Formats: sequence, structure tokens, C-alpha cells
Amino acid sequence: EIVLTQSPATMSLSPGERATLSCRASQSVTRYLAWYQQKPGQAPRLLFYDASNRATGIPARFSGSGSGTDFTLTISSLEPEDFAVYYCQQRSDWPLTFGGGTKVEIK
Amino acid sequence: EVQLLESGGGLVQPGGSLRLSCAASGFTFSSQAMSWVRQAPGKGLEWVSTINNSGGLTYYADSVKGQFTISRDNSKNTLYLQMNSLRAEDTAVYYCAKGGRASGPFDIWGQGTMVTVSS
Repeated sequence: EIVLTQSPATMSLSPGERATLSCRASQSVTRYLAWYQQKPGQAPRLLFYDASNRATGIPARFSGSGSGTDFTLTISSLEPEDFAVYYCQQRSDWPLTFGGGTKVEIK
Repeated sequence: EVQLLESGGGLVQPGGSLRLSCAASGFTFSSQAMSWVRQAPGKGLEWVSTINNSGGLTYYADSVKGQFTISRDNSKNTLYLQMNSLRAEDTAVYYCAKGGRASGPFDIWGQGTMVTVSS
């Protein structure tokens, strides 16, 4: 099973600050990595697929990068609506797996 | 509008069974792989199962293999999850999602249905 490790578990930032979230895979997933955003009481929303392809409607302040085992989600300038939990997920191999999540909270 | 609507959740006793449904609209259901993902209270996301577009191929997490069965009815644009021998650790919100491995990421999600296993 491919284990995805997200860091940090929680980050406390202010609106306007830059957020850099990390996802590390226990083995290569090539570029088959996605990022999701989840707000309390809501379903997850796809942000990026295949590492760097922005999903429909996702603002340009979000960017995704990486390949192999190391991936990054960057939010260039946090907006109030960006405070949420972010998950990475691989579809390189069965079983499909998610990282444990990074909570971006307001400082 | 692309939409997934789950139903069938509820309170069930340990050892009981439940069948979840997910009604799809706004896309060609029969062309897409579909999946179930669950989230225990206060926890992260866990992939449960995926079925290919025709229903001929199914995949399961080890935690539910032999206990849950995924299926679909393309004539009704509906995805199912039959859950048997339920345990307390199966308590979660169950989401259906469009996608799964070769057919791409989980790009559309339902609102989720809560399953509580308790006596």
C-alpha cells in the first residue's frame, strides 16, 4: 500500500499569507496525485489532479507541483474561504489512498 | 448540472446490513467509473471501493473486502453499496464519487450519507 504523509498536520496563518503544504509518498506515484479541499460539513472538492492540473473553477492563487514521491500544494495569498482541510490522494496503484490531511487554520 | 445524491444511511445495530444508493445526473453515468469514500467522525478520508463503467470490475479496500459489495445499474444511473456484518468502526459519512484510478480523480462528490453502527 502506498502511504501518503502530509505535513504539517496543522498550519496557523493569517489571510494574505502564503501556505505551502507537502505530501510525500512511500513510493513513486509518478504524477497520479490529486489534492482536495474540505470545509466543515461539506464534501471534499477536487483542486488538482495529476499533480499540477487545476480543476474547473479553482482560483489561480492555488498551484500544485511535484512528481515521483514529493508533491506540494501552494496557496499564494490566503483568502478567508481557503481555511479548510486539504488532502492529497494517489491513484497510481490499488488500494487508492489518501494522506492524513493538513488543516489550514486562521492565526 | 452534474450531481450525485446519496441515500440509505441511518442507524443500524452491529451485525446488521444496509444498502446505500447514489443517484447520478448531468453526465453519462455508464461511461464513468464510480467509487465510495468514507470518513469516520473527526477523521480523514478513506477509499472504500471502485467499480468500472460496465460493472464488470470491482475493487475494495482490505478493511471492507468480503463485507461490502459495490454494484451499479446503468439503466437507472445509480450506484450501490451493500454493507453487511456492520461493525462500530464502519460508522462514517459515506460519499459516492465519480472517478477512480484509470478513469481519473474523484472530480464529483455527493453530499454524503451518515451510517451509524450502534446498539
